[in-house]
Amino acid sequence: DTGVSQNPRHKITKRGQNVTFRCDPISEHNRLYWYRQTLGQGPEFLTYFQNEAQLEKSRLLSDRFSAERPKGSFSTLEIQRTEQGDSAMYLCASSLGTTGRHNSPLHFGNGTRLTVT
Amino acid sequence: KNEVEQSPQNLTAQEGEFITINCSYSVGISALHWLQQHPGGGIVSLFMLSSGKKKHGRLIATINIQEKHSSLHITASHPRDSAVYICAVDGQKLVFGQGTRLTINP
Repeated sequence: DTGVSQNPRHKITKRGQNVTFRCDPISEHNRLYWYRQTLGQGPEFLTYFQNEAQLEKSRLLSDRFSAERPKGSFSTLEIQRTEQGDSAMYLCASSLGTTGRHNSPLHFGNGTRLTVT
Repeated sequence: KNEVEQSPQNLTAQEGEFITINCSYSVGISALHWLQQHPGGGIVSLFMLSSGKKKHGRLIATINIQEKHSSLHITASHPRDSAVYICAVDGQKLVFGQGTRLTINP
């Protein structure tokens, strides 16, 4: 078990370009979350998958953001026509979620730092 | 009003002091997580709670489901405990508090 892996670690792009990030969760984890964190702030929810189903997407996200988890394993987050305000750390987390009260601890990746110039 | 509120937002203390960080939430949850993030570092899970109390080394986490409140305590604090501590509640989805920035001075 290598933990949650995110790639790339850093991405610098020019405004207007598209970017895609990848998250590989812990293999048996069925829940996968994407968060965004700016300096000095707590993580901000973006979207959440249970297996391959995208169960929720933040109202804060514009249509420029899309996420997929096609086989219920790795996930990608794409940002189209990037803006300077998209500059942030994009975090992925996974857990083993079940209905009921008992969920597993969260495991976070190291994040992808996006800088839009 | 945020679904998860942490207090204080910033806390500075001297080495050895007993530290308490509070988390209040307004939604139904199945679990509550306490997380730690060192400056420039990743996020690490400290505790996952659904009831009662858990202890790991100098860290203690408690939760009162009826009052929708949790506390994280650090005994005999040390400068290496300096970090941001984040509460996250797991209900319909995970919702994070804004974090508490803790600084322990030697």
